Amino acid sequence: AQTVTQSQPEMSVQEAETVTLSCTYDTSESDYYLFWYKQPPSRQMILVIRQEAYKQQNATENRFSVNFQKAAKSFSLKISDSQLGDAAMYFCAYRSQTGANSKLTFGKGITLSVRP
Amino acid sequence: GAGVSQSPSNKVTEKGKDVELRCDPISGHTALYWYRQSLGQGLEFLIYFQGNSAPDKSGLPSDRFSAERTGGSVSTLTIQRTQQEDSAVYLCASSSLRYSGTQYFGPGTRLTVL
Repeated sequence: AQTVTQSQPEMSVQEAETVTLSCTYDTSESDYYLFWYKQPPSRQMILVIRQEAYKQQNATENRFSVNFQKAAKSFSLKISDSQLGDAAMYFCAYRSQTGANSKLTFGKGITLSVRP
Repeated sequence: GAGVSQSPSNKVTEKGKDVELRCDPISGHTALYWYRQSLGQGLEFLIYFQGNSAPDKSGLPSDRFSAERTGGSVSTLTIQRTQQEDSAVYLCASSSLRYSGTQYFGPGTRLTVL
């Protein structure tokens, strides 16, 4: 079974600074997808970024980018120019490529606070 | 288009009562998922639908939990004889084969069992 580990329960960043959220995972599969989701106090889980394991290039979405190290099974999220609206819980998630659709396996999440 | 919607937003019930939670997926999404989010257990998968069938219901915690999906659209999660440990946020997500099957979530239903 796959597992996802987010070892830092909380992090804080100064507005406009850069922060990196860590995530590691364990799998015996070679093809899979990795995701970062954001969950603000409203509870709505919002997709931040997606990475296909077969792609060597790290995914980027505006101020959000990942550092995907397949051999190390590491998938960290970098948030540049942090904004107050970035304050939320962030979840790292794994999805197998087996089958057209499959469930997400989540880490425990990390609470990010942004200091003005 | 409209996102995933869930109702009710909040539900308070007494121990032993039955509850029904509803999920309306994004139009055209064939896959639908239920997850549970609680303080002690984090985010847990409950059940997955492809169309109206449920090829993976491995996450349902007991036979008090059941779910159905009709017309390949709306899904209902039913919890019978609720217990206090059922208190959690129940999240629904849907996906299509596009965008690597990325799942898009609804706002969740917060269930409190007194």
